[in-house]
Amino acid sequence: KQEVTQIPAALSVPEGENLVLNCSFTDSAIYNLQWFRQDPGKGLTSLLLIQSSQREQTSGRLNASLDKSSGRSTLYIAASQPGDSATYLCGTQGAQKLVFGQGTRLTINP
Amino acid sequence: GAGVSQSPSNKVTEKGKDVELRCDPISGHTALYWYRQSLGQGLEFLIYFQGNSAPDKSGLPSDRFSAERTGGSVSTLTIQRTQQEDSAVYLCASSLESRQTQYFGPGTRLLVL
Repeated sequence: KQEVTQIPAALSVPEGENLVLNCSFTDSAIYNLQWFRQDPGKGLTSLLLIQSSQREQTSGRLNASLDKSSGRSTLYIAASQPGDSATYLCGTQGAQKLVFGQGTRLTINP
Repeated sequence: GAGVSQSPSNKVTEKGKDVELRCDPISGHTALYWYRQSLGQGLEFLIYFQGNSAPDKSGLPSDRFSAERTGGSVSTLTIQRTQQEDSAVYLCASSLESRQTQYFGPGTRLLVL
């Protein structure tokens, strides 16, 4: 059974800093890994999807990496802004469903 | 274009009542998923549809939960004889094909008194 862990559970940094969010998973037999953000009281917004054959994906200030063999993914956020404050969730997709971590609650302080 | 929509956005019901939650996926998306998000359990998978069939129902917590999808589009999640532990946010997601980016709706917040 896939287990996904996100560390840290919460992170607070000053505006402008670069930061890394971590995601680890126990079963490397995945088709892809997806990163989402969730604002309070809202649904999930897709950020990046990395196929199992890929090593990284980039979108604007976001860069996600995937190391399937070690069961790890990182989400790098460059030049953080207060608008980046949200909960970030990673999910691994095996056969069909996504299995999620508990999320990292990120606060960017102006 | 229009995203995934869900209704109602909030639902308060009494224990023992039945509730129906609706999901309208993005047009043309063949795959549809239901998840549940609660404080104690995080985000949990409930059921997956490909077209109108549900090849994976493994996440439904009990036989009080059922779901259907019609016309390869709208889906309804039904909870019979609701219990307090059913209180959660129910999220629907769709993707163009399975194993592609999932797009989530805003969720239905269910409170069972």
